[in-house]
Amino acid sequence: GQSLEQPSEVTAVEGAIVQINCTYQTSGFYGLSWYQQHDGGAPTFLSYNALDGLEETGRFSSFLSRSDSYGYLLLQELQMKDSASYFCAVRDPSNTGKLIFGQGTTLQVKP
Amino acid sequence: NAGVTQTPKFQVLKTGQSMTLQCAQDMNHEYMSWYRQDPGMGLRLIHYSVGAGITDQGEVPNGYNVSRSTTEDFPLRLLSAAPSQTSVYFCASSYFDTQYFGPGTRLTVL
Repeated sequence: GQSLEQPSEVTAVEGAIVQINCTYQTSGFYGLSWYQQHDGGAPTFLSYNALDGLEETGRFSSFLSRSDSYGYLLLQELQMKDSASYFCAVRDPSNTGKLIFGQGTTLQVKP
Repeated sequence: NAGVTQTPKFQVLKTGQSMTLQCAQDMNHEYMSWYRQDPGMGLRLIHYSVGAGITDQGEVPNGYNVSRSTTEDFPLRLLSAAPSQTSVYFCASSYFDTQYFGPGTRLTVL
C-alpha cells in the first residue's frame, strides 16, 4: 500500500527557517506534492516535485530525493501567517488522479 | 473561473435526517473526490470519481452515496445522518497531481 509520514507538529519563531519532512512508501511514484491549510480554511496547492532536487517558489522551497523516498518543504523568513497545517501527498499508483495525503504537520510560528 | 464550489457552507441536521451536499467545478476535470476532516485530523477520502458515470469508494464510504451524471457535478448524499458524521466536508477536483479544493461544508449532526 501507500503511506506517508510527516511530523505532527513543528514550532519556529518569526523570521526563522523551518523544514517539514515527509517520507513515503508507494508501489508507483509520480511525484510529491505539498498543500497548505489554514485553520478553518480549505487545503491549497503549494508545490510539486517530480524530479530530484530543489524547487523554489518565493519563500517556499520543496525538495525531493526519489532514491531515499523522502522530501521536505522549506519555509524561509517565517511570518505569522505561515502558521498552518502542511500536507504532503503522492498520486495513487492506479493513476486515476487519486491522491494519498500524509496526516499533516501543524506549524506554529511564534513572535 | 469559479473553481470548485460547494453548498451549503454550514448545515445542522438531526439524527436520521438525509441531505445532499452539492459540489461543482468549472475546470473540466475528470477526477473529483469527497473528503471529510475531523478537528485536528487529516483528510479522509469518502468517495471519488474518475469521470461521468464512474464512482468508487474511498476509505470511509459507509453512510454516504455519490453519483456523477455530468463532468461538472459530484453531489454527496448522507443517507441517515449520525452524530459521528459531524465534520467538515471538502470536495476537490484534480488535474494530474494538483488538487483543487472547494471551501468546505461544516456539518453538525445533533
